[in-house]
Amino acid sequence: QKEVEQNSGPLSVPEGAIASLNCTYSDRGSQSFFWYRQYSGKSPELIMFIYSNGDKEDGRFTAQLNKASQYVSLLIRDSQPSDSATYLCAVIYNQGGKLIFGQGTELSVKP
Amino acid sequence: DTGVSQDPRHKITKRGQNVTFRCDPISEHNRLYWYRQTLGQGPEFLTYFQNEAQLEKSRLLSDRFSAERPKGSFSTLEIQRTEQGDSAMYLCASFTLLTGELFFGEGSRLTVL
Repeated sequence: QKEVEQNSGPLSVPEGAIASLNCTYSDRGSQSFFWYRQYSGKSPELIMFIYSNGDKEDGRFTAQLNKASQYVSLLIRDSQPSDSATYLCAVIYNQGGKLIFGQGTELSVKP
Repeated sequence: DTGVSQDPRHKITKRGQNVTFRCDPISEHNRLYWYRQTLGQGPEFLTYFQNEAQLEKSRLLSDRFSAERPKGSFSTLEIQRTEQGDSAMYLCASFTLLTGELFFGEGSRLTVL
């Protein structure tokens, strides 16, 4: 089992729709969870992080964390073509602080 | 600029040469990570530091790779006797528990001919 798993996609949504990106992790003791956006040829850009169970909203983005299910998701409301990118989920493992990334989900927002 | 900076941004070298990358983290961040990323893959963990202490190094990393963070400020990643398979983007990220934010530099792209 991979430590952090994401659907590789591509995920295609129409402009204005809600895009839902999912991530599962294997270390039950993980405490910190991050979502990054990465455009081709660029470094990852932090969207948001979440530590507590529940939802965290920032503009059009909502992160959802369920530690019991070892599941974290990112919702993008009113998706725009400029949101087309690869979205990376990352988890800091409880023991030692190693930050592990998933393989990323490619999102395509069609005008 | 108060972000994470990496140098050089691009490096082309011949197989067998040594290369060194430098990362300057955000000044108040005490944790620094190094990653390698190839096309279509997520960043692959290499190593990380808490202040000047190297806390973990990936088992996937051969002995040709070494990293240092003297005085807990900037860090260097050296690759000895480069191979074509080392061609990748090398990313540095810095982190602080105070805010929980983790930011990446622009990366150093290595091409081994």
